[in-house]
Amino acid sequence: EAQVTQNPRYLITVTGKKLTVTCSQNMNHEYMSWYRQDPGLGLRQIYYSMNVEVTDKGDVPEGYKVSRKEKRNFPLILESPSPNQTSLYFCASSLTGVRDYGYTFGSGTRLTVV
Amino acid sequence: LAKTTQPISMDSYEGQEVNITCSHNNIATNDYITWYQQFPSQGPRFIIQGYKTKVTNEVASLFIPADRKSSTLSLPRVSLSDTAVYYCLVGVHDYGGSQGNLIFGKGTKLSVKP
Repeated sequence: EAQVTQNPRYLITVTGKKLTVTCSQNMNHEYMSWYRQDPGLGLRQIYYSMNVEVTDKGDVPEGYKVSRKEKRNFPLILESPSPNQTSLYFCASSLTGVRDYGYTFGSGTRLTVV
Repeated sequence: LAKTTQPISMDSYEGQEVNITCSHNNIATNDYITWYQQFPSQGPRFIIQGYKTKVTNEVASLFIPADRKSSTLSLPRVSLSDTAVYYCLVGVHDYGGSQGNLIFGKGTKLSVKP
């Protein structure tokens, strides 16, 4: 089944403890992206990647890192999480040059930083 | 990037047709218009995409006037399960454009009542 898989689904951590949220897609998509969703603020893009080793900042990149060493994986790294990074995170992917499909989203990761 | 404006919320009843309009006055020549649906705690799901005139699929129709400064998502005969947030996005999904930085905004919360 074609899908975007995020792990973990839920995570509670403490301030300052480095964490990684993994994202993997099995559709050979070139584009991948991370969003965070907060009540009243909608979906905001954190980082995106147009291909392997090509990443760029979205609207709210502060406090996050990403890497794209392989086409299928796009991990989100929080080097020193803070409570204001408590949010619902979504990973998404998209196929190059195919206008009809848009983004495929993962099921989300609910992160709580205490 | 073209900014979009949608109503914050809409109410409807089962069996009615629902039309959600999105304004995008600064749409660029290469931009496509894409609509997503999101249920609580789930990732957005692609509904429909268009460039001009009318597009129809098994889920919805998308009407785009000649000037492309707005678009209308039409959901025929809604049911309770159509209660969700609907996002209008404007951007390029093709390689070489600004397709990586897709802005979701806050969307329109549709509530369908029995």
